[in-house]
Amino acid sequence: AQSVTQLGSHVSVSEGALVLLRCNYSSSVPPYLFWYVQYPNQGLQLLLKYTSAATLVKGINGFEAEFKKSETSFHLTKPSAHMSDAAEYFCAVTSASGGSYIPTFGRGTSLIVHP
Amino acid sequence: DTAVSQTPKYLVTQMGNDKSIKCEQNLGHDTMYWYKQDSKKFLKIMFSYNNKELIINETVPNRFSPKSPDKAHLNLHINSLELGDSAVYFCASSHFERGAHDTQYFGPGTRLTVL
Repeated sequence: AQSVTQLGSHVSVSEGALVLLRCNYSSSVPPYLFWYVQYPNQGLQLLLKYTSAATLVKGINGFEAEFKKSETSFHLTKPSAHMSDAAEYFCAVTSASGGSYIPTFGRGTSLIVHP
Repeated sequence: DTAVSQTPKYLVTQMGNDKSIKCEQNLGHDTMYWYKQDSKKFLKIMFSYNNKELIINETVPNRFSPKSPDKAHLNLHINSLELGDSAVYFCASSHFERGAHDTQYFGPGTRLTVL
């Protein structure tokens, strides 16, 4: 079984401040982990994903995430927030067990950026 | 070119009606999905479908049925609509053979309102 927990349904930062969105996963087998972003009135799009090649993953728009197996975490960070980063962020996990690759999504974190 | 498209974008209808949402992808993917996103942004998988297998989320009422005329299309039919069906429905696609780390590509969503 696999699951994802996103701590904090809302995160509020000032423009230029560090962004930290938390994601913890549970998986009985080595996981593949994803961060997706959803801008208002749009579908989800991939920010970055971990596929076991490197623990620090760089994505689009200056975001990155680090896979920490000991902490079962995959937190998303960005050094300096921009107003355009305001969106809903989803962490997701899949695993290669059972032959079905349906991802399990977290409940999402809404990022609010203040001027 | 739009990778995953859905029609209509908005759908307003009365309780008890039957409606369909269409989805098309031009990515050459072999697997398509339907998700339901509720008012709290929670994303729930409804179906996963490729030309080999339909995987149904057992919590989805049988009033919902996916229909796939070919690999590029997966339509969602909903019978006897209820108030609780109001949500945003997302279609997505991926390439099953690439494995569990393959990215999902989402459509723009269909906002269904049942009156």
